Amino acid sequence: SQELEQSPQSLIVQEGKNLTINCTSSKTLYGLYWYKQKYGEGLIFLMMLQKGGEEKSHEKITAKLDEKKQQSSLHITASQPSHAGIYLCGADTMNSGGYQKVTFGIGTKLQVIP
Amino acid sequence: DGGITQSPKYLFRKEGQNVTLSCEQNLNHDAMYWYRQDPGQGLRLIYYSQIVNDFQKGDIAEGYSVSREKKESFPLTVTSAQKNPTAFYLCASSSGAHEQFFGPGTRLTVL
Repeated sequence: SQELEQSPQSLIVQEGKNLTINCTSSKTLYGLYWYKQKYGEGLIFLMMLQKGGEEKSHEKITAKLDEKKQQSSLHITASQPSHAGIYLCGADTMNSGGYQKVTFGIGTKLQVIP
Repeated sequence: DGGITQSPKYLFRKEGQNVTLSCEQNLNHDAMYWYRQDPGQGLRLIYYSQIVNDFQKGDIAEGYSVSREKKESFPLTVTSAQKNPTAFYLCASSSGAHEQFFGPGTRLTVL
């Protein structure tokens, strides 16, 4: 089964600093999702990556899927308190019944100190 | 506005009781999912449904049941057979092989 490892598990940065979160897969990634979650709330979709080398940006958040499609990174530029939360990566997997489902990493908890 | 709603936001259950968590979506999505989130374990798939009147067990289906009688609705019942039901439950929906959209969650606590 596919496993996703996120690093670091938690991160504290000062406002204005850049940071990177990594998501590494035990298998080739065919679809990689990044979500953000505030504590006690649902997940908010950020971006989806499918092609090796693909890079997408949304405001100050950039995500990239490496050429070998086994690792993705999420980079935040000039972090703000509004970026605080839990960032989760998810990967498309196919179960034995032929249905697509998503396997999620444990998440990276980000705190931004003003 | 289109989206996914879950109710209630907080739910308390006594030992031996069955409880049902509601999930409704007006996004016209065919697929719906139920996840359980525990600290340090991430999201685990309980059940999912690709079309009306069809659903499949996920990774941790024991002690749970679902129904999918309408496209918009995918309720989850936590039965007394679930020995450790205290958790945060998330419902999601998607259109085919696309990103999943999540509801706000229900926090279930066993008294």
